[in-house]
Amino acid sequence: QVQLQESGPGLVKPSETLSLACTVSGGSISSYFWSWIRQPPGKGLEWIAYISYSGITNYNPSLKSRVTISVETSKNQFSLKLSSVTAADTAVYYCARGGVDTVDYWGQGTLVTVSS
Amino acid sequence: DVVMTQSPLSLPVTLGQPASISCRSSQSLVYSDGNTYLNWFHQRPGQSPRRLIYKVSNWDSGVPDRFSGSGSGTDFTLKISRVEAEDVGVYYCMQGTHWPPTFGGGTKVEIK
Repeated sequence: QVQLQESGPGLVKPSETLSLACTVSGGSISSYFWSWIRQPPGKGLEWIAYISYSGITNYNPSLKSRVTISVETSKNQFSLKLSSVTAADTAVYYCARGGVDTVDYWGQGTLVTVSS
Repeated sequence: DVVMTQSPLSLPVTLGQPASISCRSSQSLVYSDGNTYLNWFHQRPGQSPRRLIYKVSNWDSGVPDRFSGSGSGTDFTLKISRVEAEDVGVYYCMQGTHWPPTFGGGTKVEIK
């Protein structure tokens, strides 16, 4: 069964760049879309972006100016960078398989807190 | 963005009794290919969401058949025929027809 695992710093300072990676195991990163979704504490879910194994991307317009998503097929991994973070970016960040119309497998999520 | 509105926000239910959650979208979710990309997810406390239903009424593998999804256009419903203790948590609808995909605000199911 496909498993996804997020990794990266749990604390980021305001105005800096949040960087997370998602490692896919139990299956190949090829032939699928891959997404980042976030959930502020106690709140609902927000789609950030998706990327295909071949590098096709699509970003949520609300975050597009600050987000970069990339894929590294040799490592079975994809990544998220979110620049100029503020406290409003504090959230649990999930990576997931899928992206155009649905997602099926999710990572366990990683809490990123923006604070000085 | 397409706004997904769920009701109720909170749903206390008795074990063994049915439960129903409504999800309404601000635009039709019928895509140009004829499919309707409406999904339902279940999130238990401290866990990541798990997809239950995709394309309105299709079960994911391992999902009990007491769960069912229905609806069309802008109105959708998730029903649990007989609630079990493991069904507690928050249920989210999500549309994947229009970019960006958007989620409903969630319905918290708890046992009375």
